[in-house]
Amino acid sequence: QKEVEQDPGPLSVPEGAIVSLNCTYSNSAFQYFMWYRQYSRKGPELLMYTYSSGNKEDGRFTAQVDKSSKYISLFIRDSQPSDSATYLCAMEANYNQGGKLIFGQGTELSVKP
Amino acid sequence: SAVISQKPSRDICQRGTSLTIQCQVDSQVTMMFWYRQQPGQSLTLIATANQGSEATYESGFVIDKFPISRPNLTFSTLTVSNMSPEDSSIYLCSVSRTAPAYEQYFGPGTRLTVT
Repeated sequence: QKEVEQDPGPLSVPEGAIVSLNCTYSNSAFQYFMWYRQYSRKGPELLMYTYSSGNKEDGRFTAQVDKSSKYISLFIRDSQPSDSATYLCAMEANYNQGGKLIFGQGTELSVKP
Repeated sequence: SAVISQKPSRDICQRGTSLTIQCQVDSQVTMMFWYRQQPGQSLTLIATANQGSEATYESGFVIDKFPISRPNLTFSTLTVSNMSPEDSSIYLCSVSRTAPAYEQYFGPGTRLTVT
């Protein structure tokens, strides 16, 4: 079983739709939860991070963490064609020596005008 | 954030040869990492590049195959040695100023094809 599971998609939605992207994980030691966006032929770009459980909002993006269910989500409101990219969840345990990021497989999102 | 450049951006190499990838950051950073992203796969950490000491390798990756240097706080290299077609992948460096390194910034990647 992978430590982090993410539906690879692809996911296609019309412009303006609400998008829900999800990851599940198995390691209860994870404390930091990140979402990265990766455009084609580019490196991943950090969108948001959340520490422990709860919600975090940044413009059209909302990240949710439910540690009891080992489930995280990213919601995109009023989706735009420019949101078309691969979205990767990543997690890290709070190790003193710095830890490492464990990535999900990535969900490919296409927003159609 | 940080501005990160990688050289080369892409290369096509023959089996059995080696390629060295460079990663340059616009300012000093605490931590630098090297990842591999195989086609259709997620990112896998190869190693943490430590300034002034040997890199810390993840399970499945060894120094003889992926030697890493980090001579200062803004520069690192990854060498892919004795390449085979299975090494065809995108190689990315990332940096972080936080510990734990939850906030990482990635370079554009080096697309390697081994024939």
